Amino acid sequence: GQQVMQIPQYQHVQEGEDFTTYCNSSTTLSNIQWYKQRPGGHPVFLIQLVKSGEVKKQKRLTFQFGEAKKNSSLHITATQTTDVGTYFCAATYNFNKFYFGSGTKLNVKP
Amino acid sequence: DVKVTQSSRYLVKRTGEKVFLECVQDMDHENMFWYRQDPGLGLRLIYFSYDVKMKEKGDIPEGYSVSREKKERFSLILESASTNQTSMYLCASQGGNSPLHFGNGTRLTVT
Repeated sequence: GQQVMQIPQYQHVQEGEDFTTYCNSSTTLSNIQWYKQRPGGHPVFLIQLVKSGEVKKQKRLTFQFGEAKKNSSLHITATQTTDVGTYFCAATYNFNKFYFGSGTKLNVKP
Repeated sequence: DVKVTQSSRYLVKRTGEKVFLECVQDMDHENMFWYRQDPGLGLRLIYFSYDVKMKEKGDIPEGYSVSREKKERFSLILESASTNQTSMYLCASQGGNSPLHFGNGTRLTVT
């Protein structure tokens, strides 16, 4: 099946530091979605990017979709302990089949 | 608010048993999915269904089957459970342009 590579696998930061996770695909994506999974919870939708070069912001979170629609990033400015969790990208190539990256587990030290 | 309900939060089964994992959604979504989640591997698609009685294999369908007799219900079946099927199983539903809505997951242990 299609593959979406996500890095890094883990990130440990001090509260207040920034955090970024990246997703890459070898083929063009229809769109990309980002999800957050808190420890012990299930993935919860954060945002969807559809257009080439699109940038969306949600408070301290900035999401980007590459110009070629093959990569995406999620950046968190000034992390807080409430940001702890695993962040997943999910890509669709056609139809409604969603392929998930392996996730980036974020730990924030107070 | 969309609700996706998985019948069990925790299950312990023995090797060789037939296991049924049930998932029900209340939003009339066309699409339903079964994923398994393992550390370091993310969410891997087992099967999905885009309509009643319709199903398509995902990336790791071996050892699994599914059933969708009604639109709101999507069942995952392990015909003969094996220890390598010990995992967290997540059901999701989706319709139109909506994102995936996940259930709380079923942690299955096969001994």
